[in-house]
This record gives sequence, C-alpha cells and structure tokens, in this order.
Amino acid sequence: EVQLVESGGGLVQPGGSLRLSCAASGFTFSSYVMSWVRQAPGKGLEWVSAISGSGGSTYYADSVKGRFTISRDNSKNTLYLQMNSLGAEDTAVYYCAISPRIVATINYWGQGTLVTVSS
Amino acid sequence: QSALTQPASVSGSPGQSITISCTGTSSDVGNYNLVSWYQHHPGKALKLMIYEGSKRPSGVSNRFSGSKSGNTASLTIAGLQAEDEADYYCCSYAGSNTFYVFGTGTKVTVL
Repeated sequence: EVQLVESGGGLVQPGGSLRLSCAASGFTFSSYVMSWVRQAPGKGLEWVSAISGSGGSTYYADSVKGRFTISRDNSKNTLYLQMNSLGAEDTAVYYCAISPRIVATINYWGQGTLVTVSS
Repeated sequence: QSALTQPASVSGSPGQSITISCTGTSSDVGNYNLVSWYQHHPGKALKLMIYEGSKRPSGVSNRFSGSKSGNTASLTIAGLQAEDEADYYCCSYAGSNTFYVFGTGTKVTVL
C-alpha cells in the first residue's frame, strides 16, 4: 500500500524558513516523480514543485522559484521541500504526491502538513 | 496559468446521477489527454478517481465516469451514495512550465 506522510509544518514568521519532509513507502521510491502541491485556506490546489526519480531534474512554479528547493534522498525514501523567505501567501496545507513520469497523472497523495506564516 | 473552472457545489439525492464540469483552455484541458479527477474527504488524502480523461483506477467504483470534449472535462457520478459526499477536484497537465493546473473544486452534497 502506498503511503506518503508529510511532516515539518508549523508556524513560522514572515521571512523565515521551514523544511518539509515526506516519508514514502509501499512503492519503488526512486522510480517515481515526486511533487509538492499546496492548498491555501479556502482556496484551490496549486502545484508547487516536482523532482525526477533520480533527483537530477527539478521544476518549480513561478510563485516559489528562487525561494523553495525540492530535493529527495532515495536511500531514505524521503522527499524534502526547503522553503525560504516565506510570506503570508505561502500559508497552506502542503501535500506530497507521486506520478510515474514527468508527463503523467498524479496517482497518490499524502494527507498534508499545514504551514502557517504569521507574526 | 489560471485555475480550471468548476461549479462550487453540486447536490443530488441518493440514487441520482450528477455531473461536474471542469473548463480549461486549449493550453491545458484541450491540449493534453491528461485530465484527472480526485475525491477529497477533508483531513484525508486525495484519491484518484479518473485519469487520462476517462480511465478508472483499479478499485474505483464504476459509478464514476469521465469524459472530455474540447476544453471541458466532466465527471459523472451515477447512483449517488452518501459516501460520495466530498470535495472533487479536476486536474490537467499543462506543460513543462506549469506542470499541473487544478480545478477550483466542487463540493458534492448528498441530500
């Protein structure tokens, strides 16, 4: 059974940093593209970033480019999202998700972790 | 890239059929055969219900079906059941810059 468990969310001040993690199990982690998708309170879903199975290719939404860094440790079956220069607009539930290829459907999602940016 | 447009809410009685629309553009829904639909019960993981426009993953009830015409995709739930009450989101691949664009979400209520 595929399991994706996000952690690392919490309250952070504007301008601060936070690192999210997503622990994966139930599938061959290194074979899948991993993504982060977020949902601000009362808003729709927004794709944030993706990384290839090897970690050699990364992709970012314009809204986070230059501030967020996606990475993965295939030896630990874990996905990360380093978030810097956080602003109120980054307040959201952050989900990790998997897809079999770069151009493919997202198959599975985690339950999400809440990030709140506030002073 | 703007969000795909879905009705905010749709309701129906048990046993009825409902359809949720998802309108995009020629840059996303109309350009790729990669529209998917997700069911979301708050606090739980989103669940893939339909992929590539009309395909059902193993284990998903055949009461759920999908279709696409031009820039609009649709999800139909037949024989509505209480457990179908949830939020539903459509999603389309939108190219290597945007990757995925999501729908605004539809709350399905079973009366």
